[in-house]
Amino acid sequence: ETGVTQTPRHLVMGMTNKKSLKCEQHLGHNAMYWYKQSAKKPLELMFVYSLEERVENNSVPSRFSPECPNSSHLFLHLHTLQPEDSALYLCASSQSGVSSYNEQFFGPGTRLTVL
Amino acid sequence: QKEVEQNSGPLSVPEGAIASLNCTYSDRGSQSFFWYRQYSGKSPELIMSIYSNGDKEDGRFTAQLNKASQYVSLLIRDSQPSDSATYLCAVHTGTASKLTFGTGTRLQVTL
Repeated sequence: ETGVTQTPRHLVMGMTNKKSLKCEQHLGHNAMYWYKQSAKKPLELMFVYSLEERVENNSVPSRFSPECPNSSHLFLHLHTLQPEDSALYLCASSQSGVSSYNEQFFGPGTRLTVL
Repeated sequence: QKEVEQNSGPLSVPEGAIASLNCTYSDRGSQSFFWYRQYSGKSPELIMSIYSNGDKEDGRFTAQLNKASQYVSLLIRDSQPSDSATYLCAVHTGTASKLTFGTGTRLQVTL
């Protein structure tokens, strides 16, 4: 595997379900991100993990719960979602630091549909 | 005022022409600037990074940065139908790990 991988690629879930999105990066980076992309909107940063610590949480509803067990893996746990949460969820990674330019590389995304 | 602004398009150019995509940003402390290409239904792909004023060329792509005017652009020479995509401008400011994205410009290269 190379780059950033995400599973599953497509997910359909009901509002009462619990599911998790998985992201893995094979680039040796130390920062990972979750973004949400909805139609006609810019990419919305949801969470940032740097050196396995959450450094940013952009007022995301508690029905989204991130987990970063190590610098290569990132999860997004989903529960009691709403139809408006249907979107493309993108994971990215970068090398973060004082001397870093923070080039972010994206995974293929998970297309989530909430019924 | 939006932090990163792009014209949503579509920008239509004939095959073989130069496509010019523009982006302005509001934070004068911005340090790094990126262009991503996103095909419909796919994830963004990093195509250019630029960090200092002037031009940076990579194949058919040239990124231009003018920090005084808070302006960054992407030129695509000899445009091909395969260049048809949405181009996202992203700016690295302030918070160490955060990029701010524009809404993207949709480019259509016509035969």
